[in-house]
Amino acid sequence: DQQVKQNSPSLSVQEGRISILNCDYTNSMFDYFLWYKKYPAEGPTFLISISSIKDKNEDGRFTVFLNKSAKHLSLHIVPSQPGDSAVYFCAASAFGGATNKLIFGTGTLLAVQP
Amino acid sequence: DTAVSQTPKYLVTQMGNDKSIKCEQNLGHDTMYWYKQDSKKFLKIMFSYNNKELIINETVPNRFSPKSPDKAHLNLHINSLELGDSAVYFCASSQGQTISYNEQFFGPGTRLTVL
Repeated sequence: DQQVKQNSPSLSVQEGRISILNCDYTNSMFDYFLWYKKYPAEGPTFLISISSIKDKNEDGRFTVFLNKSAKHLSLHIVPSQPGDSAVYFCAASAFGGATNKLIFGTGTLLAVQP
Repeated sequence: DTAVSQTPKYLVTQMGNDKSIKCEQNLGHDTMYWYKQDSKKFLKIMFSYNNKELIINETVPNRFSPKSPDKAHLNLHINSLELGDSAVYFCASSQGQTISYNEQFFGPGTRLTVL
């Protein structure tokens, strides 16, 4: 049962344009969402997060939007740069217990073309 | 200075062997994790330790045994390796595991290939 889904395995965008990566989830208990970025042969690195009490969080060129009613979040990168080319993982977490367990999507490979 | 390090980076071994992967973090975190990324790119949590105490144990075969000698180390020992154990294993750490979320920092991964 895949609770976090990234239905686009890959995305290609021109440098300078906007990249939009999408993520859907099924578990309504999730209350914290994160995006991680991963380069080949490296571990995932934290990019940006959002709490379920918000619908938008912005950090420089990166903005995450959360639509709780649709159980959907998206990551916008603008303007996209070639160095943004990587795999982007969406992840979700549910509190209410003494764990910090992340449920990951399968990732979207972003290619930013110069 | 590497925050979360894993050794070895690559591990090739025969079915039936026993192997260990080591993880160390120098961030002063008190919670550490092991994740497995399989051939379909699913990244799934296996174990989590907080101050050397096991707090998450997913449905992982008991051939996998994590060991935390201190809160800066979480090693993964795998007995009787099987072909399906081939994957990339990531170690991670975070500060605390209480009601507020704390970012997890990942190691570079260990690619295990079982022949």
